[in-house]
Amino acid sequence: DAGITQSPRYKITETGRQVTLMCHQTWSHSYMFWYRQDLGHGLRLIYYSAAADITDKGEVPDGYVVSRSKTENFPLTLESATRSQTSVYFCASSAGLADNEQFFGPGTRLTVL
Amino acid sequence: GENVEQHPSTLSVQEGDSAVIKCTYSDSASNYFPWYKQELGKGPQLIIDIRSNVGEKKDQRIAVTLNKTAKHFSLHITETQPEDSAVYFCAANEKGYSTLTFGKGTMLLVSP
Repeated sequence: DAGITQSPRYKITETGRQVTLMCHQTWSHSYMFWYRQDLGHGLRLIYYSAAADITDKGEVPDGYVVSRSKTENFPLTLESATRSQTSVYFCASSAGLADNEQFFGPGTRLTVL
Repeated sequence: GENVEQHPSTLSVQEGDSAVIKCTYSDSASNYFPWYKQELGKGPQLIIDIRSNVGEKKDQRIAVTLNKTAKHFSLHITETQPEDSAVYFCAANEKGYSTLTFGKGTMLLVSP
């Protein structure tokens, strides 16, 4: 089906482990974004990408790594998970600059024990 | 960078009443202001947006107003219905217009 998907939807891991969250979109949108949502903080941008092989930091990039080898995929890796990274993670995509609608995935709920 | 403040954090209304959510922003260069609605267990979805060249925009029961001088914008929902219950986020563009900065969200509860 067309759209934006995230996997897994739920993940429990332990501190120090590496975790990769996947994001896939079928619209060939050039822009993709990763946000985390925490109570009291709203949506905070972690990383974004303007095109394949072009990525840039957002507001809270520390502890995260991204890559974009293909336009449709934008994985987010926590290289050594910490409890403070327990959150709900949303991927989004848009056709262009910030004045284009962002389409959000369903989210991944990550718990770091 | 851009800073977006959103109030109130929670809002309870009776069905049929109006609801107003207010946001302020800091970057005078911002020129795009969307509103997103997030239902429980789902990702946010765009419901309305406004650009800096207009002061008001309406779409059925929802409207957004923008005051560029005061750097604030508001979401107005009239004749609220229980299905309007959700978290609403305002946002403003920044950083060469590539990204959005979101407010912290408003949980709207519409009671039948």
